[in-house]
Formats: sequence, structure tokens, C-alpha cells
Amino acid sequence: SQTIHQWPATLVQPVGSPLSLECTVEGTSNPNLYWYRQAAGRGLQLLFYSVGIGQISSEVPQNLSASRPQDRQFILSSKKLLLSDSGFYLCAWRPLAGGDHEQFFGPGTRLTVL
Amino acid sequence: LAKTTQPISMDSYEGQEVNITCSHNNIATNDYITWYQQFPSQGPRFIIQGYKTKVTNEVASLFIPADRKSSTLSLPRVSLSDTAVYYCLVEGSNNDMRFGAGTRLTVKP
Repeated sequence: SQTIHQWPATLVQPVGSPLSLECTVEGTSNPNLYWYRQAAGRGLQLLFYSVGIGQISSEVPQNLSASRPQDRQFILSSKKLLLSDSGFYLCAWRPLAGGDHEQFFGPGTRLTVL
Repeated sequence: LAKTTQPISMDSYEGQEVNITCSHNNIATNDYITWYQQFPSQGPRFIIQGYKTKVTNEVASLFIPADRKSSTLSLPRVSLSDTAVYYCLVEGSNNDMRFGAGTRLTVKP
């Protein structure tokens, strides 16, 4: 069966510090991968998605970036965090893109920028 | 890309049927409608998906009228454990997706 992992589970970082969040998927090959952010009490905002190694599409311009160095690894990074980067970051995967394919979400990373 | 609109919150009591409606007036021909459930500090979980008419699974039903400009998630006989946020998603091909802002459902005893 397929599983998705995210770490760390929680993170407290000072403004201006770098960020690296990691997401890995097991039990599948060539998944579509997604990074979402959820601000406190808000809905889901799609940040990046990837359909393959090294292929990244950005949905919202910001100081975040994403990379996919391996087939089942998706990394969210920032060189300098802003207060507004605080939130709940979710990684998701699915075998194929398209509205008729459900997404499987990870447990999330709670990021607090102070 | 269809914008999705849903009620911010709803209250219900145990044992009642709950219907949450999502409006998506500009839905495209290739778009599907999916509903997710999210508990605090967890990732969303798939509930149900449909394209038109009615879809039913073991936990919910999804009603989509002929014009597909709205959809209604129906939860039969809710319990306290159904207290969560419910998201409507309209999505076509190539990862063009838009989540609604979510409906916070509170089930009371």
C-alpha cells in the first residue's frame, strides 16, 4: 500500500531563517506531487505541483521554492522566511493528474515563524 | 477556472442528515467535483467525487444537478465524529484546481 510522510511535524523558525520541508511517498512510482499551505482558519492554497523528477510548476509567486530531486521526494524550501509564511503545510500525491483522481494527503507540517 | 463558494459554517445535531452545498457557476465541461473532510491538524481525506447526477458511497452522497453549477454533499445521520471542515474542489485536467474555503460543520449532541 502507498504511504506519504512529511517531516518535521512541527517547526518554529525565526524570521529570515531558511526552510526545508520534506515529503516522501512509498509504494508507488512517478506520482504527481503537491505542496499546499493552509493559513490559520483558512482554506487550502496550492503552492507547487510536480508531474515528474525536476519538473516543478508554481501556482503562487512567493519566497518559497520546490524541488523534486527523486521520483518520490518533494522538498519545499525558502532562503529567508517571512512572518506570513506561518501555516500548515500539506504534501499530497496521486497517481495521475485530473479531476477524476483523488489526492492523498500527508499529515502536514505546522510552521510558526516568529 | 470555476470559483467555488460554500457556507462558512453549519451546525447540526446527532442523527440528522446534513447537506452542504457548493456553488461553482463557471464549471467547465471537463471539471469534476470532489469533496474532502479535514480534522484539526490533519491532512484532508477524500469523501466522494462525481461528474453529474448522483453518486453514493458508504459514507456520503453527492448530488449534482443537470447544469452542474452547484453540488450538494449529503451526510446521513451525522455523529459527533463528523465534526470537521468540509472542502469542495472543482478540477479539470492538468492540475487546474480550485478548493472552496471550506465549511466548518459542528455536530452537537
